[in-house]
Amino acid sequence: GAVVSQHPSWVICKSGTSVKIECRSLDFQATTMFWYRQFPKQSLMLMATSNEGSKATYEQGVEKDKFLINHASLTLSTLTVTSAHPEDSSFYICSALLGRISYNEQFFGPGTRLTVL
Amino acid sequence: QKEVEQDPGPLSVPEGAIVSLNCTYSNSAFQYFMWYRQYSRKGPELLMYTYSSGNKEDGRFTAQVDKSSKYISLFIRDSQPSDSATYLCAMRGDSGGGADGLTFGKGTHLIIQP
Repeated sequence: GAVVSQHPSWVICKSGTSVKIECRSLDFQATTMFWYRQFPKQSLMLMATSNEGSKATYEQGVEKDKFLINHASLTLSTLTVTSAHPEDSSFYICSALLGRISYNEQFFGPGTRLTVL
Repeated sequence: QKEVEQDPGPLSVPEGAIVSLNCTYSNSAFQYFMWYRQYSRKGPELLMYTYSSGNKEDGRFTAQVDKSSKYISLFIRDSQPSDSATYLCAMRGDSGGGADGLTFGKGTHLIIQP
């Protein structure tokens, strides 16, 4: 099956710093990738849709200047949390879209646990 | 009211039992309905998807969608300890050429007791 990796798997940073998370599709090309966030005991929430070569589309309530998304190639999307604060501590997970004849399937990475001190 | 409601459990059943997992939703625009399985520290893995209403069977797993009631189910027959995981329902519309993001339930933590 298709494999999606994320790096790092966990990160601890100080308040005010920026953190970059990478999402890679290892054995397929993905024009579209998605970024989700999950707070404890809550569901995965879509943050943004990332399209290769164009600007990301952000969901309502997600600050595009705080969560910078770059999808510069068909196998890599990055999410940068700028000026991170403790309330940004969460589980960030990406998915990459693999198009099929019958159904476009999202393959998920293993997630990145961000803790902001 | 949240868009997708799912009981987080935990749901504990003995090995061999039939497991029933359910979600309700409010957005009538949803057309694709998915069930994902997630193990600890791993990303969700697609188990099954269904388009619109109906049933779909794959081995020990059966997915049902009732759009009139906005209710979806996943049944697991002959449950095994290896089925112990968190099961997430997810759904999306059909407006983006298949490139819509997913709306998830909270996930149900399932424990199959040997």
